[in-house]
Amino acid sequence: QKEVEQNSGPLSVPEGAIASLNCTYSDRGSQSFFWYRQYSGKSPELIMSIYSNGDKEDGRFTAQLNKASQYVSLLIRDSQPSDSATYLCASNNAGNMLTFGGGTRLMVKP
Amino acid sequence: DAGVIQSPRHEVTEMGQEVTLRCKPISGHNSLFWYRQTMMRGLELLIYFNNNVPIDDSGMPEDRFSAKMPNASFSTLKIQPSEPRDSAVYFCASSLVGAGHQPQHFGDGTRLSIL
Repeated sequence: QKEVEQNSGPLSVPEGAIASLNCTYSDRGSQSFFWYRQYSGKSPELIMSIYSNGDKEDGRFTAQLNKASQYVSLLIRDSQPSDSATYLCASNNAGNMLTFGGGTRLMVKP
Repeated sequence: DAGVIQSPRHEVTEMGQEVTLRCKPISGHNSLFWYRQTMMRGLELLIYFNNNVPIDDSGMPEDRFSAKMPNASFSTLKIQPSEPRDSAVYFCASSLVGAGHQPQHFGDGTRLSIL
């Protein structure tokens, strides 16, 4: 069974700190990886995608991929209370289906 | 650009009634997905369509659930008869297949409550 694993949290960080969210996946055939943010009562919103080993930066967000270790992470710099949400990691193999992790709840405290 | 549009946003109905959820994907997208999200089970894929054809319906919980996509602009998910355990948020998502690594874009969801 293809799985994506995340720590459910909550991960609590103070405002201004770096939040580090982690994800592991079991399917070595996975080619694309996505991070979605979901506020309570809202739908998942795509915030980052990554396809190659290494880092990809977009504003305060950095996605990291290590295919050898089957590990994906999301770093949020200068965390704000508005970043408090559940973050879903998803992987995509050669097909078009996404496998989602259970999500990590992030709490940024003022 | 308009995103994925779902209706209704909220549905409250009694057990045994038929429920129909609707979805309009992003124009030009050729894949459509129906998900169900609950606290206990997280986000579950129910069925997905590629070019209006159902490709994988292994996530459909039972025969009470059915989904159709009569054209590229419209899909329905039907539950008949509905049961209280069907209460959840149902999301529709769409993406473009065949254009590299394309993510899925979600609608606002339908919050379904079966009494």
